[in-house]
Amino acid sequence: ELQLLESGGGLVQPGGSLRLSCVASGFTFSNYAMTWVRQAPGRGLEWVSAISGSGGNTYYADLVMGQFTVSRDNYENTVYLQMNNLGVEDTAVYYCARFSTELVVVTAFDFWGQGTLVTVSS
Amino acid sequence: QPVLTQPPSSSASLGESARLTCTLSSNINVVNYKIYWYQQKPGSPPRYLLYYNSDSDKGQGAGIPSRFSGSKDASANAGILLISGLQSDDEADYYCMFWPSNVVFGGGTKLTVL
Repeated sequence: ELQLLESGGGLVQPGGSLRLSCVASGFTFSNYAMTWVRQAPGRGLEWVSAISGSGGNTYYADLVMGQFTVSRDNYENTVYLQMNNLGVEDTAVYYCARFSTELVVVTAFDFWGQGTLVTVSS
Repeated sequence: QPVLTQPPSSSASLGESARLTCTLSSNINVVNYKIYWYQQKPGSPPRYLLYYNSDSDKGQGAGIPSRFSGSKDASANAGILLISGLQSDDEADYYCMFWPSNVVFGGGTKLTVL
């Protein structure tokens, strides 16, 4: 059974950092690129970042470039999102999702985790 | 910055069809892009439904019934999600997505089944 399980969310003060994790199971993890998508409370979806199956290529939305870092450990079947200098505008549920391909190419996000909530507040 | 515009809400009757639109900003031609559609119910993650580029280039997500289909309206510069035989379970938010350079999501349409 396909599963993506995010963790690492929580309450953080403005300017703080968090590292999100997403553990995958039920498929050959290294064969798939992965992505992070966030959703602010009551709002729509916003793409954040993506990483190829090998981890050799990473991509970021302009809004988070230089602030967030995506990485993966194919031995641990885990993708990470390191988030630094967080602001209230980063408050959202963060979803990890699987590409339908190994490379970060124009394709669907065919399976999503349940998400982890990040709240940035003083 | 490319934009996808979706009407915030739409409604249709049980058993009828719903036609959800996703309009691209005027500087981007829908003819040239695959449009992806996702469904999201309250408290749940998005679920991939399908993509549509042309009648010869389209795809359905795993387990998605054929009553969900995609198309394009080139005159309106829009992607279309058509849901036929509406069921109460289809009541959800629907998001379109495309990739001009990076990923762009539409703002979503809340579909109410009457």
